[in-house]
Amino acid sequence: DTGVSQNPRHKITKRGQNVTFRCDPISEHNRLYWYRQTLGQGPEFLTYFQNEAQLEKSRLLSDRFSAERPKGSFSTLEIQRTEQGDSAMYLCASSYGDRVMEQYFGPGTRLTVT
Amino acid sequence: DAKTTQPPSMDCAEGRAANLPCNHSTISGNEYVYWYRQIHSQGPQYIIHGLKNNETNEMASLIITEDRKSSTLILPHATLRDTAVYYCIVRVAPPSNTGKLIFGQGTTLQVKP
Repeated sequence: DTGVSQNPRHKITKRGQNVTFRCDPISEHNRLYWYRQTLGQGPEFLTYFQNEAQLEKSRLLSDRFSAERPKGSFSTLEIQRTEQGDSAMYLCASSYGDRVMEQYFGPGTRLTVT
Repeated sequence: DAKTTQPPSMDCAEGRAANLPCNHSTISGNEYVYWYRQIHSQGPQYIIHGLKNNETNEMASLIITEDRKSSTLILPHATLRDTAVYYCIVRVAPPSNTGKLIFGQGTTLQVKP
């Protein structure tokens, strides 16, 4: 068990570019969550998957954001046409079975949009 | 979900017990109290949760008042590595809860040598 991993750890991009982040959950964890955290604030929920199905999306997830979890394993979060307001830490978490509130978080991907 | 109130910051001497309070006066009978912490530059880490009985694990103890309107997370022997932001979250249990964690501002605990 190597924990939840996220890549890249840091990403600097110019406004208007597309970026994609990857999350590898703990194997056998059927639920996967994405959160966003800005400086000085607690993480905010973005979306979650149960296996490969995306079951809930936050209003924070605008049309420029899309997430996938093909085959119920790793997940990707893509942001199109990035804006400076997208600069944040993007966190991924996973959980197993009915222990949905006991989530294991990855180290996050810090996005800076210049 | 019940609203939670936590002090923005607290200090604790290394080796002493750290007692972190959380007020959740509007908690419902089917809502649990969960605690997470976030060490600087890391993702949040689950600590413990409880409904109405006191709970203890290898990381901490959770004391919930009899009326369930408040709780205290206790780190029995705080170390410098316990310096972090501690979040108290109140949510109903699954399956009504899909697992969406709602974080507030939390309490920044500074453990001092």
